[in-house]
Amino acid sequence: AAGVIQSPRHLIKEKRETATLKCYPIPRHDTVYWYQQGPGQDPQFLISFYEKMQSDKGSIPDRFSAQQFSDYHSELNMSSLELGDSALYFCASSPAGGSLYEQYFGPGTRLTVT
Amino acid sequence: AQSVTQPDIHITVSEGASLELRCNYSYGATPYLFWYVQSPGQGLQLLLKYFSGDTLVQGIKGFEAEFKRSQSSFNLRKPSVHWSDAAEYFCAVGAHGSARQLTFGSGTQLTVLP
Repeated sequence: AAGVIQSPRHLIKEKRETATLKCYPIPRHDTVYWYQQGPGQDPQFLISFYEKMQSDKGSIPDRFSAQQFSDYHSELNMSSLELGDSALYFCASSPAGGSLYEQYFGPGTRLTVT
Repeated sequence: AQSVTQPDIHITVSEGASLELRCNYSYGATPYLFWYVQSPGQGLQLLLKYFSGDTLVQGIKGFEAEFKRSQSSFNLRKPSVHWSDAAEYFCAVGAHGSARQLTFGSGTQLTVLP
């Protein structure tokens, strides 16, 4: 079965650089969520999109922005990167017409800021 | 706001032994409850979920969980652990209403001894 695809899987950036993370949801899933998992931490919700509109916002820094495109893929843009942004970033998707809480997670993008 | 507590940071069991991972939640109404498993460097895989109905839910890989409203608990169990079950386990809660994000517990690291 198709799963959530995230790219890149690994990313190394320097402080103050920018990064773009991409997420391709499972086909026919219309809701996308972004989570950040710091080392030894639990995943923290950042932001979500439903039908290309932002639906909820969590603890996302102002330096980060995200959007969902017409093909339902989503991109998380991160600017002025800080060392503390080093984390595993997960994308999850939910099926259209299904439970909004049935979230399927991708493998994550590991961002390292040096 | 909802919250999740996983009291056990690390649990060690012998292969073939039974397992119970504890999860307590705080929420004013009946929540949506989930257990996810994360292997090292991997994404989050949904083991099982509770939305309503039968309080004993069956999941994948032989896991089950029981929702106990009176104890605000949703403990995960498995009658006989396999070495491949070694991983980190996260309990999560999703609240009713417009908020769609999941709130995760801090996780329980499971070690399986041969």
